[in-house]
Amino acid sequence: GAGVSQTPSNKVTEKGKYVELRCDPISGHTALYWYRQSLGQGPEFLIYFQGTGAADDSGLPNDRFFAVRPEGSVSTLKIQRTERGDSAVYLCASSLMGGTNTEAFFGQGTRLTVV
Amino acid sequence: GENVEQHPSTLSVQEGDSAVIKCTYSDSASNYFPWYKQELGKGPQLIIDIRSNVGEKKDQRIAVTLNKTAKHFSLHITETQPEDSAVYFCAASYNTDKLIFGTGTRLQVFP
Repeated sequence: GAGVSQTPSNKVTEKGKYVELRCDPISGHTALYWYRQSLGQGPEFLIYFQGTGAADDSGLPNDRFFAVRPEGSVSTLKIQRTERGDSAVYLCASSLMGGTNTEAFFGQGTRLTVV
Repeated sequence: GENVEQHPSTLSVQEGDSAVIKCTYSDSASNYFPWYKQELGKGPQLIIDIRSNVGEKKDQRIAVTLNKTAKHFSLHITETQPEDSAVYFCAASYNTDKLIFGTGTRLQVFP
């Protein structure tokens, strides 16, 4: 596809349930990022992948959050035992190489609501 | 860690007027400063960026200035149009791999 694709666009889940959010980056982009955006706030960094490996996961709030990118393309953000405070828009972005010389392109996000 | 503050939180201007949004950052090691435009229901879109070796950059009606000594940077939009209405975010990072965003400015341009 032409841009970063995220599925689903909306997800409603009950407190305590497990959810998976998917990101399809732009083809050929080696760097992939996950951000979380709460209402009225700027995006907050969660994790950055370079290829298959997590180069920086310092933004993951706790061990209920985990992300994978097994083949260096599609990534899945996994949230266990969801809490109401996890409700937010989860944004994925990709860039050609990462680093100083490449632009990060964002997807439209997945709006997660925990009830 | 890096902290980015952004002002104002809302900005209303008449079509054709200029709009200025200001950001300050805390980490002197930051070397990349992008600006994103976010429309309702969409992801942020890069509109302009500046690196620490440059003081000013312009792209048509949009310009960004950077003052490394004072650790602040600004977005200037001239001849505003209704389609410029959106939320604008500044960000700072070292080498783009972990963007730290400001809290956003909601810009409304009235016809």
